[in-house]
Amino acid sequence: SQQGEEDPQALSIQEGENATMNCSYKTSINNLQWYRQNSGRGLVHLILIRSNEREKHSGRLRVTLDTSKKSSSLLITASRAADTASYFCATDFRFGAGTRLTVKP
Amino acid sequence: SAVISQKPSRDICQRGTSLTIQCQVDSQVTMMFWYRQQPGQSLTLIATANQGSEATYESGFVIDKFPISRPNLTFSTLTVSNMSPEDSSIYLCSVGGTGGASTDTQYFGPGTRLTVL
Repeated sequence: SQQGEEDPQALSIQEGENATMNCSYKTSINNLQWYRQNSGRGLVHLILIRSNEREKHSGRLRVTLDTSKKSSSLLITASRAADTASYFCATDFRFGAGTRLTVKP
Repeated sequence: SAVISQKPSRDICQRGTSLTIQCQVDSQVTMMFWYRQQPGQSLTLIATANQGSEATYESGFVIDKFPISRPNLTFSTLTVSNMSPEDSSIYLCSVGGTGGASTDTQYFGPGTRLTVL
């Protein structure tokens, strides 16, 4: 069963623009994790945010968590063609459907 | 962090046969997980395998079809039994609790690509 649901399902932007992906979940969580997966490749862990945290940064990535709304967002700033991938959120080890991001050069 | 290896990396099997996938971790971990990922799809959790206890299966997955072993804190196996073409997928092993807490980062193995003819 899936817990998190990403929005949008697909996103296409130009290089240099920012990309925002959202994740909603249904039940209380201990943490929420974001992953990237390039086509045909393995999962890369991006950020873990705990339930008592509201925001975390890692390089060009910014993750927010709103436990009152049961939602999280992943912001990629100054996107690059290499950011083209599928992005997944996971809560309590269950994954959402993912957002397919395409960054056009 | 944890380094995870899986064997085999890929296999082509005949319908009705079984395949056992091995997952080895380079450190002791509390929680191990098995996932399935169909092409172009997200990951679906099959079961959680904790050492010393029976695996916990998600809805839609049963022990007879996907028996799991977890003999120690660094190793687990998943068997896909009586395979059909619908079982063709990538099977991923994952570990959590590498820092001793279930809230720690989850890491993934490279996956086993299974094709059933």
